[in-house]
Amino acid sequence: EAQVTQNPRYLITVTGKKLTVTCSQNMNHEYMSWYRQDPGLGLRQIYYSMNVEVTDKGDVPEGYKVSRKEKRNFPLILESPSPNQTSLYFCASSPGGRTSRYEQYFGPGTRLTVT
Amino acid sequence: DQQVKQNSPSLSVQEGRISILNCDYTNSMFDYFLWYKKYPAEGPTFLISISSIKDKNEDGRFTVFLNKSAKHLSLHIVPSQPGDSAVYFCASGSYQLTFGKGTKLSVIP
Repeated sequence: EAQVTQNPRYLITVTGKKLTVTCSQNMNHEYMSWYRQDPGLGLRQIYYSMNVEVTDKGDVPEGYKVSRKEKRNFPLILESPSPNQTSLYFCASSPGGRTSRYEQYFGPGTRLTVT
Repeated sequence: DQQVKQNSPSLSVQEGRISILNCDYTNSMFDYFLWYKKYPAEGPTFLISISSIKDKNEDGRFTVFLNKSAKHLSLHIVPSQPGDSAVYFCASGSYQLTFGKGTKLSVIP
């Protein structure tokens, strides 16, 4: 089954404790992206990757890191989480074509709470 | 600066009637427009798209209209069904996607 998986689905952590949210896709997609969804703000892009070893900042990259060492994986790293990073996070992937990269497949989401 | 705006946070429609969801954008460089649908506790799913060279695209009960001069697009759902109740996100971009804040559609049986 074609899918994007994220782990963990739920996470409660404390300020300053480094964490990683994993994302994996099995569709051989070139493009991957991370979004956060907050009430009243919709979906905002954190980072994206056009291909292996190619990453770039989205609209809200502060406090986050990513890496793309393999095509299928795109982990999101919070080196020192803060309460304002409490949010619902989505990973997405898509083929790398000019328009097909917009038709993204989303993972189920990771609800992160930082206390 | 919000480049993609969905001004209606919510919409209620009777089953069988037409649902019209609206979206405005400000960036004239945007060349591709999409609608995504999101159920609670799930990730968004792609619904329908339209290129800037077209003004209409149809897929079953879903039609997206694009008015480039007004920088406006709309999603029509006819007939609306209870299973269409979800949050709908408009999205557009020229290189990466920018999403609106979403409109929660409730279809009343």
